[in-house]
Amino acid sequence: KQEVTQIPAALSVPEGENLVLNCSFTDSAIYNLQWFRQDPGKGLTSLLLIQSSQREQTSGRLNASLDKSSGRSTLYIAASQPGDSATYLCAVMDSSYKLIFGSGTRLLVRP
Amino acid sequence: GAVVSQHPSRVICKSGTSVKIECRSLDFQATTMFWYRQFPKKSLMLMATSNEGSKATYEQGVEKDKFLINHASLTLSTLTVTSAHPEDSSFYICSARVQAGEKLFFGSGTQLSVL
Repeated sequence: KQEVTQIPAALSVPEGENLVLNCSFTDSAIYNLQWFRQDPGKGLTSLLLIQSSQREQTSGRLNASLDKSSGRSTLYIAASQPGDSATYLCAVMDSSYKLIFGSGTRLLVRP
Repeated sequence: GAVVSQHPSRVICKSGTSVKIECRSLDFQATTMFWYRQFPKKSLMLMATSNEGSKATYEQGVEKDKFLINHASLTLSTLTVTSAHPEDSSFYICSARVQAGEKLFFGSGTQLSVL
């Protein structure tokens, strides 16, 4: 059974810092890996999608990497801003298009 | 981009009543929709997968008689929480898969509070 773990569970940083969020998964037979952002009481915003054959994806200040063989992904956020404060969720998709989510990292960027 | 509309966004009900949550794909046809629930500060747990015109497939531990899912058309799926109890209080989110696509689009979620 696929299990997705995210570390750290919570993170508080001053504005401007670069930071890394970690995600690991137990079964490397994934279709893709996705990173989402969730604001309190809201739905999900898709940030990045990495295909199983890809190593990384970039969007603006965000960069996500994938090492499928070791079951790891990282989300790198450059020059963090208070508006980046949210919960970041990592999820892996299996061949039936089901997404299995990690428990998330709650990020607070202090002004 | 594809939009998924979920209603209501928030509902408060008395114990024993049933609550229906709607999930609509506004500008695309969704052959598959997924329903998740999320407890406070926890991750999303997949409840069931629904395919248009067929019975939903429930994940282990999810009571299908408790959580009724209907996917009658390519743009609408509903989740009905029957005889709701306080332990059913949770955040419910739907997602829709574009036909022949791998990307999922999420609704904005429904916060259910059962008194």
